[in-house]
Amino acid sequence: KNQVEQSPQSLIILEGKNCTLQCNYTVSPFSNLRWYKQDTGRGPVSLTIMTFSENTKSNGRYTATLDADTKQSSLHITASQLSDSASYICVVRNTGGFKTIFGAGTRLFVKA
Amino acid sequence: DGGITQSPKYLFRKEGQNVTLSCEQNLNHDAMYWYRQDPGQGLRLIYYSQIVNDFQKGDIAEGYSVSREKKESFPLTVTSAQKNPTAFYLCASAADRADNEQFFGPGTRLTVL
Repeated sequence: KNQVEQSPQSLIILEGKNCTLQCNYTVSPFSNLRWYKQDTGRGPVSLTIMTFSENTKSNGRYTATLDADTKQSSLHITASQLSDSASYICVVRNTGGFKTIFGAGTRLFVKA
Repeated sequence: DGGITQSPKYLFRKEGQNVTLSCEQNLNHDAMYWYRQDPGQGLRLIYYSQIVNDFQKGDIAEGYSVSREKKESFPLTVTSAQKNPTAFYLCASAADRADNEQFFGPGTRLTVL
């Protein structure tokens, strides 16, 4: 069964601190993995995409990693800002079947 | 501005009424999608359309209907047959079915009173 699981469910950190969000998946065959940021009451916005051959990709203060062997990805946020408060959703796509599986998201709260 | 819009942002409905959510895009995308988002769950696919005048059921289509008469528009009707319609509804579009970057609208929050 194709599944995407994210942890933690929610996280509170102080402004300026770093944090790492986790995503484990069982989607097969794997095509790619995206991380989306969703502000409260808004639609998700893509942060980064990882394909099978990529291990690390950065987008400003966001760095995503992918281990295709263990089927795990992480999103690391450096020097967090209040505007980073949002839900972060891991989305995995399989090949051939055009199936896109969404994780439930991690809710991040950044406090001043 | 290029983008995808949804209206209204908030919608209230009495039990037993049908209601239609609007989704419009000017990105010239062929594929459009409707998702439902509930607390603690991932987005679930309701319907999708790869091209005008064609649409397919997603994972939770029961109680919903759609139409795709124009490339730019993909309205979703929540019918009285939908048992638990209160949710946040997201519309998305992509260049085509194989292009997985989906661009999302701002969403419509539907509350059934």
